[in-house]
Amino acid sequence: QQQVKQSPQSLIVQKGGISIINCAYENTAFDYFPWYQQFPGKGPALLIAIRPDVSEKKEGRFTISFNKSAKQFSLHIMDSQPGDSATYFCAACNQGGKLIFGQGTELSVKP
Amino acid sequence: GAGVSQSPSNKVTEKGKDVELRCDPISGHTALYWYRQSLGQGLEFLIYFQGNSAPDKSGLPSDRFSAERTGGSVSTLTIQRTQQEDSAVYLCASSLQANQPQHFGDGTRLSIL
Repeated sequence: QQQVKQSPQSLIVQKGGISIINCAYENTAFDYFPWYQQFPGKGPALLIAIRPDVSEKKEGRFTISFNKSAKQFSLHIMDSQPGDSATYFCAACNQGGKLIFGQGTELSVKP
Repeated sequence: GAGVSQSPSNKVTEKGKDVELRCDPISGHTALYWYRQSLGQGLEFLIYFQGNSAPDKSGLPSDRFSAERTGGSVSTLTIQRTQQEDSAVYLCASSLQANQPQHFGDGTRLSIL
């Protein structure tokens, strides 16, 4: 009930391409869905987040798509750059505040 | 100006010793969280403090783990009688209030020999 499933585990994209990472959740009490970006040796950095009252949120090259009925959400990175190479985590949160994380996706953008 | 600050950044200790990890949250943030990141288990919630409320300890893996938050600011995570499976990166995060964006420190990498 608390699980968040993330796929793929790893992703290789050419520079300029679109990176897509998917997550699915089970607990309908979740009401906040952030994405974090993590570089080696650093803590996760908040990238973008969405609440279930909207189906899409865009910030620069990053877009979250949210499908409440399917209990799925995804991160799209447009015009992917080598500097985007990092590990990405989706997460879900309810009123309690604690984040439940997906397993992570290691993205590599090839020049 | 800082973001969340954690110390030490690295800690190596012998099995059976006690360790203390420190977290300085962003000033004014009332909520503070501890997570653990390890290869096998990913990112796991440990404990959460919100203002003066009783902490949510539901993620602590054993009674060897404890945490306190003094004066609503600095927090210390203590692991007693460390075991090799405690080796991980311990991350602290803070947010303005519960269910608000959480901002992470860079963690303490703990290695148990």
